[in-house]
Amino acid sequence: DIRMTQSPSSLSASVGDRVTITCQASQDITNYLNWYQQKPGKAPKILIYAASSLETGVPSRFSGSGSGTDFTFTISSLQPEDIATYYCQQYDTFFTFGGGTKVEIK
Amino acid sequence: QVQLQESGPGLVKPSQTLSLTCTVSGASISSGDYYWTWIRQPAGKGLEWIGRILTSWNTNYNPSLKSRVTISVDTSKNQVSLRLSSVTAADTAVYYCARHVLLRNYDAFDVWGQGTMVSVSS
Repeated sequence: DIRMTQSPSSLSASVGDRVTITCQASQDITNYLNWYQQKPGKAPKILIYAASSLETGVPSRFSGSGSGTDFTFTISSLQPEDIATYYCQQYDTFFTFGGGTKVEIK
Repeated sequence: QVQLQESGPGLVKPSQTLSLTCTVSGASISSGDYYWTWIRQPAGKGLEWIGRILTSWNTNYNPSLKSRVTISVDTSKNQVSLRLSSVTAADTAVYYCARHVLLRNYDAFDVWGQGTMVSVSS
């Protein structure tokens, strides 16, 4: 099993702040990593695919980077509608998700 | 646009079999263009991939659940089904079906159903 470790598990930031979430894979997954946003009571939504590509229609304040085992997800300027839990997901060997990062407004 | 809708009993007794259906609209599951996937999420916890199906003879399952899971399709109804046997309280979760797109530079779950809550309790 490939384990995905996300940090932090939660964070609180102000509107306009830059927010960064990290995801570490237990083995090299090249760039086989996606990022999802899940709002309360809703299904997840794909934001970033292949580690750094922005899904069509997703605001450009969201971005991703990394390769191998270490990945980063960034919101360049946090907006109130970005309150959600964010998950990384690897697809190198089947599919596993990180534990999630809950983002709240300070 | 493509829409997925999960349905099935909200309560299942321990040791019994959980059965859910995902009805797909806006796309034909028999086209072979997409995988159809089940993912679950216990309350307040993370996401777990259960398995996927491309065609009736092309399925993949999470190794941790493989002995208990069957995913099948009914092309006449454009539905994907999940069966999970010998359930315990640990199987209590929201169950999602999702479309899995696999292209050269894109491999992601791009369309999701709203999810259905299943509780395992006597």
